[in-house]
Amino acid sequence: KAGVTQTPRYLIKTRGQQVTLSCSPISGHRSVSWYQQTPGQGLQFLFEYFSETQRNKGNFPGRFSGRQFSNSRSEMNVSTLELGDSALYLCASSFDKPYGYTFGSGTRLTVV
Amino acid sequence: QQPVQSPQAVILREGEDAVINCSSSKALYSVHWYRQKHGEAPIFLMILLKGGEQKGHDKISASFNEKKQQSSLYLTASQLSYSGTYFCGTEISSSNYKLTFGKGTLLTVNP
Repeated sequence: KAGVTQTPRYLIKTRGQQVTLSCSPISGHRSVSWYQQTPGQGLQFLFEYFSETQRNKGNFPGRFSGRQFSNSRSEMNVSTLELGDSALYLCASSFDKPYGYTFGSGTRLTVV
Repeated sequence: QQPVQSPQAVILREGEDAVINCSSSKALYSVHWYRQKHGEAPIFLMILLKGGEQKGHDKISASFNEKKQQSSLYLTASQLSYSGTYFCGTEISSSNYKLTFGKGTLLTVNP
């Protein structure tokens, strides 16, 4: 069966621009979580969605937002990009609790 | 709230055993374990729910001590394919919907 698909794989953006990342979960998975991964901070939780509802949000500024559609696909948006937003953004899907997460390959965002 | 993993790094020879620990200052609902190889996505290994259970997965197993809020991952008779960074992720309740990861343990298995 198809895994978690994230697009695009790589992005280069300029400071001040905005970006939208997409995640298609495994069929049947209704929970989608987003993480930012950097060498210094590791895996940082951004938000979690289930059936189009955000159930939790991490400690990130309001420039980071997300949404989930009725087909469970999810997007995250980062506005007014900063150099520090350069990271690997990972999406993970799950049936819900108490199952493990399946991660996508991530979107590598570079802000210049 | 971030769980603390130890050791930060470990180097083994094929066939040796390793233990990776994960500690939380908060009461936990669940502990997840993942392995990530360089340039790849994290792969789910197992989940342990509160209740002090132990799980096995081939030669990789884990335990969860609910009283101490600690989990340990056991890798026995390590293989080259076990190399990677191991992360524990913790949830503080069934209605929290936030998996918080430790900083990871880099495991290197040499021939």
